[in-house]
Amino acid sequence: EMQLVESGGGVVWPGGSLRLSCAASGFNFDDYAMTWVRQLPGKGLEWVSGINWNAAYTYYVDSVKGRFIISRDSATNSLNLQMNSLRDEDTALYYCARGPHARSPSWYFDIWGRGTLVTVSS
Amino acid sequence: EIVLTQSPGTLSFSPGERATLSCRASQSVSGNSLAWYQRKPGQAPRLLIYGASNRATGIPDRFSGSGSGTDFTLTISRLEPEDFAVYYCQQYGSSPPWTFGQGTKVEV
Repeated sequence: EMQLVESGGGVVWPGGSLRLSCAASGFNFDDYAMTWVRQLPGKGLEWVSGINWNAAYTYYVDSVKGRFIISRDSATNSLNLQMNSLRDEDTALYYCARGPHARSPSWYFDIWGRGTLVTVSS
Repeated sequence: EIVLTQSPGTLSFSPGERATLSCRASQSVSGNSLAWYQRKPGQAPRLLIYGASNRATGIPDRFSGSGSGTDFTLTISRLEPEDFAVYYCQQYGSSPPWTFGQGTKVEV
């Protein structure tokens, strides 16, 4: 079964840091781009960051550029999101999702985890 | 950045009825690169439709997508009890950011 499981969420002070991880299983992780999407409280989904299959390219929404870093580890089949200088508005449920196959340019997301909750609050 | 507008925010139906959800883009979506997702509380979001009209693996044929350019539609031909959820459209036809609509809740 193809599966993504997020971890690392929690409560953090404004200005603090948190590292999210996503463990992938049931598919060849190295063949796919990966992404983070967040669900803001009482609002919709927001795409946050993406990384292509071989980590040659990374992408970020403007609001997190310079603060968040996406990375992947093929040895452990994991996706990571290092979140620094956190703000109140980063409070959200963060989902890991699978992006396109290496040979596809189509960034829709066909497998999702259940999410990990990040709360930024003083 | 392409802005996607889903309206209305909430639609009310009875099981067995036909539901039509709208997604409008602020500019033309290249290659009809539009997807639809279903989200239920406590569950992982589920991909329903990609490329505007292609059903994802395992999605029942009561779900269908249509449209092109700036106007897209998700149709659920006969609502089953498990279909009451929030539905999002997402465009991936442009350079990032890949954007989502704000969602339409389908309720009883």
